[in-house]
Amino acid sequence: AQSVTQLDSQVPVFEEAPVELRCNYSSSVSVYLFWYVQYPNQGLQLLLKYLSGSTLVESINGFEAEFNKSQTSFHLRKPSVHISDTAEYFCAVSLGGKLIFGQGTELSVKP
Amino acid sequence: GAVVSQHPSWVICKSGTSVKIECRSLDFQATTMFWYRQFPKQSLMLMATSNEGSKATYEQGVEKDKFLINHASLTLSTLTVTSAHPEDSSFYICSAKGWDIPLYEQYFGPGTRLTVT
Repeated sequence: AQSVTQLDSQVPVFEEAPVELRCNYSSSVSVYLFWYVQYPNQGLQLLLKYLSGSTLVESINGFEAEFNKSQTSFHLRKPSVHISDTAEYFCAVSLGGKLIFGQGTELSVKP
Repeated sequence: GAVVSQHPSWVICKSGTSVKIECRSLDFQATTMFWYRQFPKQSLMLMATSNEGSKATYEQGVEKDKFLINHASLTLSTLTVTSAHPEDSSFYICSAKGWDIPLYEQYFGPGTRLTVT
């Protein structure tokens, strides 16, 4: 069975500080990995994805995630956060035509 | 990007009544729609997958007679919670994708919060 674990339910951080949102998955087969972001009162949006190739993937707004097969992790990082990054972040894996989500991490950026 | 809307955004109903939630793809044809349920501080749980014109495929543990899903057109899917009870109170999210869109690029609606009193 597959599962996705996001180790932190809430991450408060000050503006311009670095942040890491952790995600671990368990799977006996190769997976595709994703991060989604959900801003207040909006639907989930795909932030970035790992399908194959380079283990470091980047988004257009400065986030990056690194696929680590040995540690079965796909942590999300940003070197300097903005107030506008405040949102809920979901890690997910894809297998068999379904998306399996983690519990979500609430990132709260304070001035 | 493609837009998926849900209506209503929130609804309160009395125990024993039924409530219908609509999911619409506004600017693309959604050959597949997904319905998720999200409890507070928990992950999205896939309830069912529906393809236009076909019966929905329900995930294990989801009561198909309680959660009726209809995907009658390429732009509309509905979820009807029948004989609702307080334990059905939750956040329901739909998503949609076209036939040539990868699964991970499904477009999500903003969700509907259901409260059963």
